[in-house]
Amino acid sequence: RKEVEQDPGPFNVPEGATVAFNCTYSNSASQSFFWYRQDCRKEPKLLMSVYSSGNEDGRFTAQLNRASQYISLLIRDSKLSDSATYLCVAANTGNQFYFGTGTSLTVIP
Amino acid sequence: EAQVTQNPRYLITVTGKKLTVTCSQNMNHEYMSWYRQDPGLGLRQIYYSMNVEVTDKGDVPEGYKVSRKEKRNFPLILESPSPNQTSLYFCATKELAGASYNEQFFGPGTRLTVL
Repeated sequence: RKEVEQDPGPFNVPEGATVAFNCTYSNSASQSFFWYRQDCRKEPKLLMSVYSSGNEDGRFTAQLNRASQYISLLIRDSKLSDSATYLCVAANTGNQFYFGTGTSLTVIP
Repeated sequence: EAQVTQNPRYLITVTGKKLTVTCSQNMNHEYMSWYRQDPGLGLRQIYYSMNVEVTDKGDVPEGYKVSRKEKRNFPLILESPSPNQTSLYFCATKELAGASYNEQFFGPGTRLTVL
């Protein structure tokens, strides 16, 4: 079983739409959680860390449910520039990182 | 400019011919790591290093070696490459403490093809 699983999509949404990505992790000992963004064939870049209390950064909201081992990312008012692959990541205390396979998003004009 | 550099960016080689992919960072980060990215499998951690002379296996270390003799460099060595090591490789670095210790900074990637 993969450590981190996420729906690969693709998600094709119109500009201005709200879209949600979900992710589950299998290791209950995982300590830190993140969403990374990866543009085609380029290096991943941190979008946001995910905290138990939930956190928001502009149009992006991340949630963590430790009981269900579930992480989510909500993007409001989608922009064309949001088109990318979004990677869900879980890390243990030993600094080992586990990436999901990514969810592809295309925002359509 | 803070950056992580990888060389070469593209490499085509043949089975069994030893190769090294270099990774260098100028951010004075303690932590460095290597990943490979394959379609349908995502990024998988190969090795990581918490400091000079300290390295640990990640999820998929078989067929790879690393060394950390200097803080800024973390080369990935394939002693006898095989076609199943054809992949996109990323080096990453991060702090181990401080306000931004969560964020990994990735290099631009090295696309390796083993024939």
